[in-house]
Amino acid sequence: QVQLVQSGPEVKKPGASVKVSCKTSGYIFTRYDISWVRQAPGQGPEWLGWISVSNGDTNYAQGIEGRVTMTTDTSTSTAYMELRSLRFDDTAVYYCTREIRGTYDSWFDPWGQGTLVTVSS
Amino acid sequence: QSVLTQPPSASGTPGQRVTISCSGSSSNIGINTVNWYQQLPGTAPKLLIYSDNQRPSGVPDRFSGSRSDTSASLAISGLQSEDEADYYCAAWDDSLNGWVFGGGTKLTVL
Repeated sequence: QVQLVQSGPEVKKPGASVKVSCKTSGYIFTRYDISWVRQAPGQGPEWLGWISVSNGDTNYAQGIEGRVTMTTDTSTSTAYMELRSLRFDDTAVYYCTREIRGTYDSWFDPWGQGTLVTVSS
Repeated sequence: QSVLTQPPSASGTPGQRVTISCSGSSSNIGINTVNWYQQLPGTAPKLLIYSDNQRPSGVPDRFSGSRSDTSASLAISGLQSEDEADYYCAAWDDSLNGWVFGGGTKLTVL
């Protein structure tokens, strides 16, 4: 079955960087794009951006595009999301998710289990 | 503050029908389809409805979705205790060139 397994929780100081991994299995990695979504405590999800696994193109959300980098390693079917210059309000659970494209639209399925990133001094 | 607006809470008794609304604008729901996700406590979101009204394999037909103008709705009939969860709507926003989500609706089964 399709699985996305993320790396473990991280605790970082303000100003530091964090890199979260998302190892996929159960499907052909290069046929689907990967999006990253975060969810702060008690809040709704926030889309961070998307990477085309087939060609490496990226589309980052406005407001975070200068601090985030999304990459993939096709040899290990793993996606990565790096966030720099961490702030307290970056504390959230970070999810990777596979984007499935229909004829005119798309949706996310499935999601990784989530990685808690805590920014604390 | 989320781009899509949902009521923060909803409730019903077992067997009842509950509807959750999701309000957007002409740049998102007005021109793009809506997806719904269910998030059980302590777990990752799970796809519940895609393309406005399509159910993935394994999702009971008690769940249904619809979209009209700049709003969408999720209906749950025959409410069950295991339906107690947070529900989120999502749509692509052409102006923001990105996905936008609702703030979520916490469903309580009384």
